[in-house]
Order: sequence, then structure tokens, then C-alpha cells
Amino acid sequence: KAGVTQTPRYLIKTRGQQVTLSCSPISGHRSVSWYQQTPGQGLQFLFEYFSETQRNKGNFPGRFSGRQFSNSRSEMNVSTLELGDSALYLCASSYPSGGRNEQFFGPGTRLTVL
Amino acid sequence: AQKVTQAQTEISVVEKEDVTLDCVYETRDTTYYLFWYKQPPSGELVFLIRRNSFDEQNEISGRYSWNFQKSTSSFNFTITASQVVDSAVYFCALSEASNDMRFGAGTRLTVKP
Repeated sequence: KAGVTQTPRYLIKTRGQQVTLSCSPISGHRSVSWYQQTPGQGLQFLFEYFSETQRNKGNFPGRFSGRQFSNSRSEMNVSTLELGDSALYLCASSYPSGGRNEQFFGPGTRLTVL
Repeated sequence: AQKVTQAQTEISVVEKEDVTLDCVYETRDTTYYLFWYKQPPSGELVFLIRRNSFDEQNEISGRYSWNFQKSTSSFNFTITASQVVDSAVYFCALSEASNDMRFGAGTRLTVKP
């Protein structure tokens, strides 16, 4: 099976812009979780989607949002970008649902905000 | 609240040495799940092991072994006869019923030839 794919791999934006990141889970996986990884805060949970519904959300501002499509692909959106949003954004898929089962991670999208 | 502590920020060993990575967790739930992931320089997190709170059996997989002790809330990871390819950041993680996964800060392991 193909692994989790994320696009784009690298992204450079300026403050105030918005960005959309995409994640395609492993075929058959219905749960997609998003994480932010920074040197200062480490790996932090953003949210989890299962069958097009957000099941769980971490402690992030409303500028961070996401959605999941009927084919389980997921997108994450960050609006009004801030310098502190520079991070590696990781997507993980699992079957059937997030935290209780092993999650398989994609290579990440490295976002740089200037 | 759930919390994972990996007190060792960085460890450096010489090839063929054994090394143990410590993980201590906090949780109020009786049902929870523990994980170890490896993050090589490429950045992609690689799943190593999952344990649920009712299974305290130790696990061995090749050169890797895990010691789960509920009495001390620890889930330590040992690499036997380390190799240069083991160099990576290793994360311990905890998940409760809420499904979100809480990661420790990670331990950067460097194995020198």
C-alpha cells in the first residue's frame, strides 16, 4: 500500500496570508490527524477527522481549521499567518480511528512564514 | 491531564553499545495507549510499538525491546548493539480515550561509528 502523502512538501508564505495543506491517507484508513512540530513546542495535536467529521481538536486558535472529504483526503487551512506558524505540519492516518491505534505519518509539509 | 516526559534530551553512544531511552507518563485514565515513534533526519515519523494499559508484557523485536511498568508509569525503550542507522529522534506518546495523542519532547540519539 502507498503511504500517507502530503502536499506540498515545502511552502513559503508571508505574514497575513493563508495556506492550505493537503493530506492523502493510506487507502482504507478513515481517520486523519494533524500535528504541528516546532523546536520550541515539540509535536502538538491539532485535530482529528473521521468520516468527514472533526472528532477531536487540540488547543489551537480558530485560524487553524480543517476538513475531510468523502474519499478520506484531508486539508488543513491556516488563515492570517503569523511568524510563529512556521513549523513542520504532519498528517497521520489510522484505521479505524486516531489515538488508540497506531498512526502512520506522512513526510510533512514544512511551512515557513516570513 | 495526560503528560509524557522524556528526560533525556540527547544521548550519544558508540556503535554496538546498548542504550535505553526513558519515558515516564501521567494519566488518570485506567485505559490508555503508549507508543514509540522514530523520526529520522528525513522527518517522517515511523511507528515502532503500541501498548495498551492492560498489557504489561515486555516486548522484544530484534535489537529493540520495551519495558512497560505501570507501577512506575514508565515505558522505556532499549536498543541493543546500536548501529549508526539508529540515529534519530525518538518520541514516546500517550493516548487516552479522547483519541488525541500526546507526545514527549523526544530524545535525540546519535550513534557514532
